[in-house]
Amino acid sequence: AQSVTQLGSHVSVSEGALVLLRCNYSSSVPPYLFWYVQYPNQGLQLLLKYTTGATLVKGINGFEAEFKKSETSFHLTKPSAHMSDAAEYFCAVSVILTGGGNKLTFGTGTQLKVEL
Amino acid sequence: GAVVSQHPSWVICKSGTSVKIECRSLDFQATTMFWYRQFPKQSLMLMATSNEGSKATYEQGVEKDKFLINHASLTLSTLTVTSAHPEDSSFYICSARDILAGGGLYNEQFFGPGTRLTVL
Repeated sequence: AQSVTQLGSHVSVSEGALVLLRCNYSSSVPPYLFWYVQYPNQGLQLLLKYTTGATLVKGINGFEAEFKKSETSFHLTKPSAHMSDAAEYFCAVSVILTGGGNKLTFGTGTQLKVEL
Repeated sequence: GAVVSQHPSWVICKSGTSVKIECRSLDFQATTMFWYRQFPKQSLMLMATSNEGSKATYEQGVEKDKFLINHASLTLSTLTVTSAHPEDSSFYICSARDILAGGGLYNEQFFGPGTRLTVL
């Protein structure tokens, strides 16, 4: 069964510092991986996704993630944090259903705090 | 493009009453919609998958008679919480998959803004 693990429920960085949010996956088949961001009392917005091809994926708002099969990781990074990046971030894996179709399984989330 | 709306954005109801939440895809057709619930500071838990014109598929542990899902058209799905109790208070989020955007394999879902339900 596919699953994701997010290490660190809270991450705090200074404005302008590197952001690194960790995600490890477990999958018996090539995974489709996603990062979503959620602002308070809002739904989820897709930051980026990995399906096939290039392992370094660039997303919106300056975020990127690298798929590393050998490490079963899909960590999210941003070179320079901005105050507006403060939010909850979810890593997700697409789970193939036996009857066809698929669904997303989410990690437990990481709350990013950006300090002046 | 790919906008999903939910109505209402928040609702407060008395214990024992029923509440209906609507999820609409505004600018695309969605054969599949998903319903999630999210408790404070927790992740999203999938409740059910709703396919247009057919019965919803519920996740294990989700009471189908309590959480009624209807997906009557390609742009609308509804979740009705019947006989709501305080433990049903949560943030309910829907998402929709765009059949024209190759979502079948990549499962890119577009999320609504969520509905905050408080049961007194």
